[in-house]
Amino acid sequence: KQEVTQIPAALSVPEGENLVLNCSFTDSAIYNLQWFRQDPGKGLTSLLLIQSSQREQTSGRLNASLDKSSGRSTLYIAASQPGDSATYLCAAGGGADGLTFGKGTHLIIQP
Amino acid sequence: DTAVSQTPKYLVTQMGNDKSIKCEQNLGHDTMYWYKQDSKKFLKIMFSYNNKELIINETVPNRFSPKSPDKAHLNLHINSLELGDSAVYFCASSPTGVVAKNIQYFGAGTRLSVL
Repeated sequence: KQEVTQIPAALSVPEGENLVLNCSFTDSAIYNLQWFRQDPGKGLTSLLLIQSSQREQTSGRLNASLDKSSGRSTLYIAASQPGDSATYLCAAGGGADGLTFGKGTHLIIQP
Repeated sequence: DTAVSQTPKYLVTQMGNDKSIKCEQNLGHDTMYWYKQDSKKFLKIMFSYNNKELIINETVPNRFSPKSPDKAHLNLHINSLELGDSAVYFCASSPTGVVAKNIQYFGAGTRLSVL
């Protein structure tokens, strides 16, 4: 059974800092790993998807890496902004079994 | 244009009632899902469904049943509601094709409160 863990559970940093969010998963038999953003009271917005055959994906100031053999993924956010404040969710799996989510990292960027 | 839409956004009901949450996607996707986010914000898959196969998470009580009138809709029916069913329910969809590339698109959620 897949289990996904995210560290840290919460993070507060000043605006402009670069930061790293960590995700680990127990079962490496995944189709992909996805990072989502969830704003309070809202749904999930997909940020990046890394296929199981890939090592990283980039979108703007976001870069996600995947090391399937060690069961780890990181989300790197460069030059953080107050608008980046949200909960970031890592999810592993894909396919007909759906995604297994971590409990998220609650990120606050201080202006 | 909302890609994945759920109704209602909020649902307040009494224990023991039967209720439904509707989900529609206009993305042309073949696979749809229901997830439950509990009070601790933990998201768990409940069902995944395409026109060929329903996969049920073994922890989901049989009071919950998905119904798909067509490819664009996957509704969630809940019988005999219990206090523990209070949560936010999210619908999602993903395209067919290469599974590894399939981003899941989520609706805005339905907040269910059972009194």
